[in-house]
Amino acid sequence: DGGITQSPKYLFRKEGQNVTLSCEQNLNHDAMYWYRQDPGQGLRLIYYSQIVNDFQKGDIAEGYSVSREKKESFPLTVTSAQKNPTAFYLCASSILRGPDSYGYTFGSGTRLTVV
Amino acid sequence: GQQVMQIPQYQHVQEGEDFTTYCNSSTTLSNIQWYKQRPGGHPVFLIQLVKSGEVKKQKRLTFQFGEAKKNSSLHITATQTTDVGTYFCAGYSIGGTSYGKLTFGQGTILTVHP
Repeated sequence: DGGITQSPKYLFRKEGQNVTLSCEQNLNHDAMYWYRQDPGQGLRLIYYSQIVNDFQKGDIAEGYSVSREKKESFPLTVTSAQKNPTAFYLCASSILRGPDSYGYTFGSGTRLTVV
Repeated sequence: GQQVMQIPQYQHVQEGEDFTTYCNSSTTLSNIQWYKQRPGGHPVFLIQLVKSGEVKKQKRLTFQFGEAKKNSSLHITATQTTDVGTYFCAGYSIGGTSYGKLTFGQGTILTVHP
């Protein structure tokens, strides 16, 4: 079955550490996205990528970095510069980006906690 | 930039009652999408509306897109406990700095009491 796999499901980070969240899709989708979800704030876009080796900042990119070396993979690194990283992180993909994309497919998410 | 507002933020209903959530955009939308997120889960795409005044139904769910393409609603008839979750709308702005970007509303959290 096609879908998006995010790992790990739960992640604990110490202050000052960088951590990388994995996102892999086998849907052959061109566009991939990272969202952050906090209670009562909906989904906020961190980074997105329309094509391999290209990505763009979203609304809250500070303290995060991404790469897109393969079409299937879009890992997110939460750096020590991110002041409040505790949140639920969701990866998504779509066939295209923009209004012709139809719906997004989301992964099951990674819950990151700073300890 | 574009803003998408949803009301109410929370809704508690008795099983069998109807439920409606409303979505309003600060800019005109090219289309609007609706997602459902079960507690502890991830958003799942429900439907996309494209045309002005469009109405679509999925069993007990009715989705509407406003004539001016700036608002939308989701109505659930005779709620069931399986309807529990957060319902998000998300819209694409037709122009300006938000063009091509899908903006999510804050979501409406639905609780259904048996």
